Order: sequence, then structure tokens, then C-alpha cells
Amino acid sequence: GQQVMQIPQYQHVQEGEDFTTYCNSSTTLSNIQWYKQRPGGHPVFLIQLVKSGEVKKQKRLTFQFGEAKKNSSLHITATQTTDVGTYFCAVQYSGTYKYIFGTGTRLKVLA
Amino acid sequence: NAGVTQTPKFQVLKTGQSMTLQCAQDMNHNSMYWYRQDPGMGLRLIYYSASEGTTDKGEVPNGYNVSRLNKREFSLRLESAAPSQTSVYFCASSSSYTAGELFFGEGSRLTVL
Repeated sequence: GQQVMQIPQYQHVQEGEDFTTYCNSSTTLSNIQWYKQRPGGHPVFLIQLVKSGEVKKQKRLTFQFGEAKKNSSLHITATQTTDVGTYFCAVQYSGTYKYIFGTGTRLKVLA
Repeated sequence: NAGVTQTPKFQVLKTGQSMTLQCAQDMNHNSMYWYRQDPGMGLRLIYYSASEGTTDKGEVPNGYNVSRLNKREFSLRLESAAPSQTSVYFCASSSSYTAGELFFGEGSRLTVL
């Protein structure tokens, strides 16, 4: 079946360090979304990537979609304590209407 | 705007009891989804409704049923609750079933004893 893996599962960084999480699919994707979930909260949409090789930036966050549309990455530059939470990718495959979530990367930022 | 509203927020059930989780959105969205999230885990899709009048199984549909009552409402029913269904349930909606941002409710925390 279709699987969506995220690595790493956990990441602890010192405030000011960079952070990257990767999302990998065994099957070509139609599009990919990224969400952030704060502890005790619900997932909140960050960005959507549709085109092969697409790169989008939001302030300190950089999102990239792989050329083969099978993987994606989220990079945070100079982390802050407000970046704490779990980051999920959510993928959609061609011809389907459902969004499948990755396993998530839990980020902890040490002040 | 309320966005996506889920009720109840908390529920404790005994094994074998039934209950329905309610979800309503006021954004005129076409698609609605039910996910479950177990502690320290990702979200797993239970059922979804791409548009009013249609429902489809997700990754983990066993033990659940859904009803898309109208465009606004999408309910999730547990006919005979089991301890394995202890989880946090999230309802979400999107304007389009293709490439649409998911808006989530606050979640419903269900414990089955």
C-alpha cells in the first residue's frame, strides 16, 4: 500500500539552530501539504506544493517538492521556541480525493 | 466565523456502547474528513466525503460509519465501541477535494473503558 514516511521522528535543537524534516512517498504524488500541530492543538495548514521541483518560502520556513514528486522537505532557519510542535506532511495521490498524513516530526527547541 | 465545530469535546464510553461524533462547518466547503490521532502518532484517515452525497473509506474504517447529512455536516458513528478506539478524533473540511487546504476542528477526545 501507499506509505508516507517522515524523518526524523524527533528532533531536539538549540534555539537558533536550523531544522529540517523530510517526507518520502513510495508513489508519485499529486500534491503535498505541510501542517504544524502545537501540543494539545489541532493541525494548522502551512503550505501546499503542486509542481515538480517547487520551492516556496515563508519567512524562516522553506518548503521544497522533489523533482520526481515523491518527496518533500521543510527547513526552518534559526529556530525559535515558537517553532515547537509536530510537523506533518499530508499527501494526495493522483486520482484520489483523500489526504494521507505522514508520521510527523516532533520538534523541541531548547532555549 | 466558527470554522469547523466538533461535538462533544470529551466523551467516556464503556465497551459496547455506541455514540456519534458530530461535525459541522460553516465555510461552504465541499469535502469533509474524519481522522483519528493516537498518542504520539500521526493522523489516520477514517472516512471522507469528497462532496455532498458521497462517502468513501480511508485507511482505518473498520468499526466506524459515517453520514454526510448535508453540505455542512459530517457525522462519525461508533456502533459498538472498543478500547482500541480510544483516541482523539479530528474532523476537517476543504473547499475542494483536489489541492484544498484542510481546516481542522478542535478535536474530540474519546476514551473507551
